[in-house]
Amino acid sequence: KNQVEQSPQSLIILEGKNCTLQCNYTVSPFSNLRWYKQDTGRGPVSLTIMTFSENTKSNGRYTATLDADTKQSSLHITASQLSDSASYICVVSGMFSGGYNKLIFGAGTRLAVHP
Amino acid sequence: ETGVTQTPRHLVMGMTNKKSLKCEQHLGHNAMYWYKQSAKKPLELMFVYNFKEQTENNSVPSRFSPECPNSSHLFLHLHTLQPEDSALYLCASSQRSDGSSSYEQYFGPGTRLTVT
Repeated sequence: KNQVEQSPQSLIILEGKNCTLQCNYTVSPFSNLRWYKQDTGRGPVSLTIMTFSENTKSNGRYTATLDADTKQSSLHITASQLSDSASYICVVSGMFSGGYNKLIFGAGTRLAVHP
Repeated sequence: ETGVTQTPRHLVMGMTNKKSLKCEQHLGHNAMYWYKQSAKKPLELMFVYNFKEQTENNSVPSRFSPECPNSSHLFLHLHTLQPEDSALYLCASSQRSDGSSSYEQYFGPGTRLTVT
């Protein structure tokens, strides 16, 4: 079954600290993996997108890694800020029968950054 | 702003009401999507429209009726909803959705729907 599992479900950190969010997937065959940030009451906004051949990609203080062999990805946030408080969603794109590409969403990690 | 707007942002309706959600994208995209987001659950894809044609319906109950009059506008007509339909309804758009590749999706802010 094609699934995307994220951990932890929620996380609280102090402002200025680093944190790492995890994403494990069973989607196969794999096309690409994206991380989205969703602020409360808003729609998701893309942070990074990685294909099979990429194992790291950065967007400011956000760095995503991908290990396609173990089917794992992580999102590392450096020097967290209060504005980083949001849900972070891992989304895996897979090619399914008939050549049709679909997005499989994780349930997200809810991050709270406290002063 | 992502270039995708949704109205209303909040909606409370009774189970016998009829209402519509509206989505508009200003990105020149050709594909539009409706998603349902319930608390602590992954986003659920409901409908996909590609060049105004519905290309995917993920077994959505008939009390949800989509309409796509052109590539820039997408509606979700609601009638006789159930309390379990309360959720955040997100609209998204992408350059296209031809099934052979995955294009970046841009999401609207969502409509928070409460069914009483």
